[in-house]
Amino acid sequence: NAGVTQTPKFQVLKTGQSMTLQCAQDMNHEYMSWYRQDPGMGLRLIHYSVGAGITDQGEVPNGYNVSRSTTEDFPLRLLSAAPSQTSVYFCASSRGNSNMNTEAFFGQGTRLTVV
Amino acid sequence: AQRVTQPEKLLSVFKGAPVELKCNYSYSGSPELFWYVQYSRQRLQLLLRHISRESIKGFTADLNKGETSFHLKKPFAQEEDSAMYYCALSGTPNSGYALNFGKGTSLLVTP
Repeated sequence: NAGVTQTPKFQVLKTGQSMTLQCAQDMNHEYMSWYRQDPGMGLRLIHYSVGAGITDQGEVPNGYNVSRSTTEDFPLRLLSAAPSQTSVYFCASSRGNSNMNTEAFFGQGTRLTVV
Repeated sequence: AQRVTQPEKLLSVFKGAPVELKCNYSYSGSPELFWYVQYSRQRLQLLLRHISRESIKGFTADLNKGETSFHLKKPFAQEEDSAMYYCALSGTPNSGYALNFGKGTSLLVTP
């Protein structure tokens, strides 16, 4: 199993450019989420999804959009990149069930630099 | 509100020494807590979850509801334990079980 796959691994953008970070999982997980990782800040939740067609905002959603048209894919869109969005982005998925087995599986991350 | 606190940004120990990484949480219901580990520039991996009460790579963590803590311990640190460690609290089904992370503790084990 590939698990959670993110593309690209690295990206450099100019201020004002837009782009989409791709995330795909092959574990048929209902729940998916996007985090950004910054030094000294840990991981902060950007957006999450509880199933196809259902998304919601996390702690730091400004400047980002998401959609969930299929169970497998959860792309993150940067509308107009800013230097403050320079970060490492992680996508995660989890099963979640009545046994509280909510372990999250993470992608390998996308390292984004906005200049 | 949910909150996870890891008071130490950096913890440096010698090989063979005991190590304890602290984690405190605030949560109104029954918490589901995890420890994730991130080796240099790799993805986060689950290390432990409190409901399984297992020992992974010699690490253990006990949930103390009275002290609202979930400290990670290992009796004899190894150099390969050097990594970033995150304590995380699982959200509710309505929040997609999204994790609330502490800011992380960087563990450095020196020979």
